[in-house]
Amino acid sequence: DILLTQSPDTLSLSPGERATLSCRATQDVTKNYLAWYQQKPGQAPRLLIHGASSRATGIPDRFSGSGSGTEFILTISRLEPEDFAVYYCQQTAHSPLTFGGGTRVE
Amino acid sequence: QVQLVESGGGVVQPGGSLRLSCAASGFSLSTNFMQWVRQTPGKGLEWLALLQKDGSYQYYAESVKGRFTISRDLSKNTLHLEMNDLRPDDTAVYYCAKGTGWVADYWGQGTLVSVSS
Repeated sequence: DILLTQSPDTLSLSPGERATLSCRATQDVTKNYLAWYQQKPGQAPRLLIHGASSRATGIPDRFSGSGSGTEFILTISRLEPEDFAVYYCQQTAHSPLTFGGGTRVE
Repeated sequence: QVQLVESGGGVVQPGGSLRLSCAASGFSLSTNFMQWVRQTPGKGLEWLALLQKDGSYQYYAESVKGRFTISRDLSKNTLHLEMNDLRPDDTAVYYCAKGTGWVADYWGQGTLVSVSS
């Protein structure tokens, strides 16, 4: 199984600041099939990024994804108040699909 | 627009069974991959199962293989998760999700399953 480790566990930032979230895989994620999701309290996750760097429909361009192989990054260029949430990465290359443990942006 | 509505959650005793449903609208299950994901209270996400869009194959997490079954009823455009031999650590919010490929691009709001005596 491909295990994903997200860091840091918590990121304490202010609105307007830049957020950099990391997701590291235990083996190559084939074709960079890596997705990022945002989850707010009491809500279902929302897809932000797929294919490591492609924004999902309706996602603002302050969200960007990068990386390849085993190292992936989600960047939020300037935090808006609504961006404070938990972020998860997921590899969709191989079954079982696996999620990282999440990074809380507070 | 795409909508997914889960139902069937509730309280069940250890060893019991439950069937979750996910009513889909705005798209057809017959042309989309579908999956189930759960979230333990206060914890992270755990992928459980995926159904190929042609219905030909199902994939499962090791933690539920042999106990859970993903299926669909195309006449009702509804996805199901049959859960047997439930354990206390199956207590979670269960989400269904529509996939573009294996990426979950739309999610339901979830249904809570509590396994307790």
